[in-house]
Amino acid sequence: GAGVSQTPSNKVTEKGKYVELRCDPISGHTALYWYRQSLGQGPEFLIYFQGTGAADDSGLPNDRFFAVRPEGSVSTLKIQRTERGDSAVYLCASSSSVQETQYFGPGTRLLVL
Amino acid sequence: GNSVTQMEGPVTLSEEAFLTINCTYTATGYPSLFWYVQYPGEGLQLLLKATKADDKGSNKGFEATYRKETTSFHLEKGSVQVSDSAVYFCALSDRRIKGAQKLVFGQGTRLTINP
Repeated sequence: GAGVSQTPSNKVTEKGKYVELRCDPISGHTALYWYRQSLGQGPEFLIYFQGTGAADDSGLPNDRFFAVRPEGSVSTLKIQRTERGDSAVYLCASSSSVQETQYFGPGTRLLVL
Repeated sequence: GNSVTQMEGPVTLSEEAFLTINCTYTATGYPSLFWYVQYPGEGLQLLLKATKADDKGSNKGFEATYRKETTSFHLEKGSVQVSDSAVYFCALSDRRIKGAQKLVFGQGTRLTINP
């Protein structure tokens, strides 16, 4: 079946602008995760959803970052007033339950000029 | 807090060479341990995992053993191929929060295999 998909694959924006990044998990997966991967580093946890609710948002760096998953499927990561330091690859992963393997999407590469 | 430290790259080997990529971890409790691989132009894929001490994970000729006494999970392969060229990430699952499976990753090791 289809894997995790993320759109857009690349996003270039200007400092101060607002961006939305979308994640479509594998159908039926209840757990959804967002990670951020800076150049040359491993992914870092941002937020985790179980169903519609954010069960753990301890990784969000500040209040400019927000994520939603209103119907328990698609999730959107929203970044307000983008800064150059937000440039990174944003990864989404989903799993069939909190104990199961996480399947990653290809990521969205965000560049803030 | 929990953390993962892995061997710095890049690592360059000839085809059929023996591979070891070192990984050590710091964790409270009893995390699960993982190796993920990122092939050029592709997303992260789970390579293998181990959920408790002395477990051995294996896949595609790669192996890693969960060593609690040395807090290590080194990745090994007896004979590498050009197609193994990729970035390898060691990771642990942070289970301090009940039900949460957030992964803590090492910085990655880039492996290049020359024919």
